[in-house]
Amino acid sequence: GNSVTQMEGPVTLSEEAFLTINCTYTATGYPSLFWYVQYPGEGLQLLLKATKADDKGSNKGFEATYRKETTSFHLEKGSVQVSDSAVYFCALGNAGGTSYGKLTFGQGTILTVHP
Amino acid sequence: DADVTQTPRNRITKTGKRIMLECSQTKGHDRMYWYRQDPGLGLRLIYYSFDVKDINKGEISDGYSVSRQAQAKFSLSLESAIPNQTALYFCATSDPGQRSYEQYFGPGTRLTVT
Repeated sequence: GNSVTQMEGPVTLSEEAFLTINCTYTATGYPSLFWYVQYPGEGLQLLLKATKADDKGSNKGFEATYRKETTSFHLEKGSVQVSDSAVYFCALGNAGGTSYGKLTFGQGTILTVHP
Repeated sequence: DADVTQTPRNRITKTGKRIMLECSQTKGHDRMYWYRQDPGLGLRLIYYSFDVKDINKGEISDGYSVSRQAQAKFSLSLESAIPNQTALYFCATSDPGQRSYEQYFGPGTRLTVT
């Protein structure tokens, strides 16, 4: 079945530091990959997505590249801000078998950015 | 106005009580989902519905039931609440026309069972 593994947190950084949150996946077929962000007290928001191999998703300075050869979708940002403090979820969705129409989530990574 | 709304936003209830969480959406999506979030466990799927006449169990459906009253409304019930159902509950929607399968989430309901 499908699975998503994220680097364990929490991650604590100083403002303007470089961010990487690792995400690897197991899936059949050709999944779409997502990063969602959850700010304190809020629901999940789609941050970025990629639907095929070598696609790069980007939004708000965050980027992630769909690497089929390494089954990875690592999230990066060159210079984080205090306002980026949140929980980040990697997820995949595909049409394969019993996974049709559903998303599989990683366990989430808590990011705290200090001034 | 929010596209996906959930009521109530917070609820405290006692063990053994029946409770209903409601979700409404204005996105016009056919597909709706209920998840629960526990610290360190990500989101786990409770039930999902691909249209008004279609209801499916997710990975953790025991102790829960759902009702799809209309395309826009999807309710989650806890028949007899127990303390380990204390969690954050999210409703989500998706559009089957979007082949990327992305989902859109409500703001969540924080449920505490004492």
